[in-house]
Amino acid sequence: VQLVQSGAEVKKPGASVKVSCETSGYNFNIYDIHWVRQATGQGLEWVGWMNPSTGQTGYAQKFQDRVALTRDTSISTAYMELNSLRSEDTAVYFCARAEESPWYFDYWGQGTLLTVSS
Amino acid sequence: DIVMTQSPDSLAVSLGERATINCKSSQSLLHRSNKKNYLAWYQQKPGQPPKLLIYWASTRESGVPDRFSGSGSGADFTLTISRLQAEDVAIYYCQQYYTTPSFGQGTKLEIK
Repeated sequence: VQLVQSGAEVKKPGASVKVSCETSGYNFNIYDIHWVRQATGQGLEWVGWMNPSTGQTGYAQKFQDRVALTRDTSISTAYMELNSLRSEDTAVYFCARAEESPWYFDYWGQGTLLTVSS
Repeated sequence: DIVMTQSPDSLAVSLGERATINCKSSQSLLHRSNKKNYLAWYQQKPGQPPKLLIYWASTRESGVPDRFSGSGSGADFTLTISRLQAEDVAIYYCQQYYTTPSFGQGTKLEIK
């Protein structure tokens, strides 16, 4: 099982970013993909989840209006798009796999550093 | 939202000694239907993603050394490392999955 994320991004405030999470080694459709972020030196913050089979999504309330989780099942890849970026969004973003229930995360991507700076 | 609070924020333990990290949730994580506690523990080393150690509060993930153990029920949980080794230096997080996931603030474990 592998989750491989796209590379580091530098964006200006107000811009958007789309991070990819390419999976392999398992059936992409039967595990949910979650996104968790971590600001430098800080703890872990859950962003949202997606069911790759149905496309169903759910988001943490603080990101509800700015984040979209999508997928391309043909290439077993999940995406996180975050809009209206601000400096506080500077963090490492991880994708992680979990069963449809329960939601503990057994495999993680390596992380993608997003820097938001003018 | 369920708030997870870990204690201590940091601790230093001698090699070969026991390390104990506590995690308290703002509501019970014990599901009445299956009598399971919806609590996981992770280890994170610098520059790496978190690694799953324990789920269902006390079930060790495959490949995790048996010096790591989890205990507790309801709203109070403990991660114990029985004989600390140098490679155990890391930050440890608890996570509840009773509702939408949330994590403790982390406990930094160092060698004394």
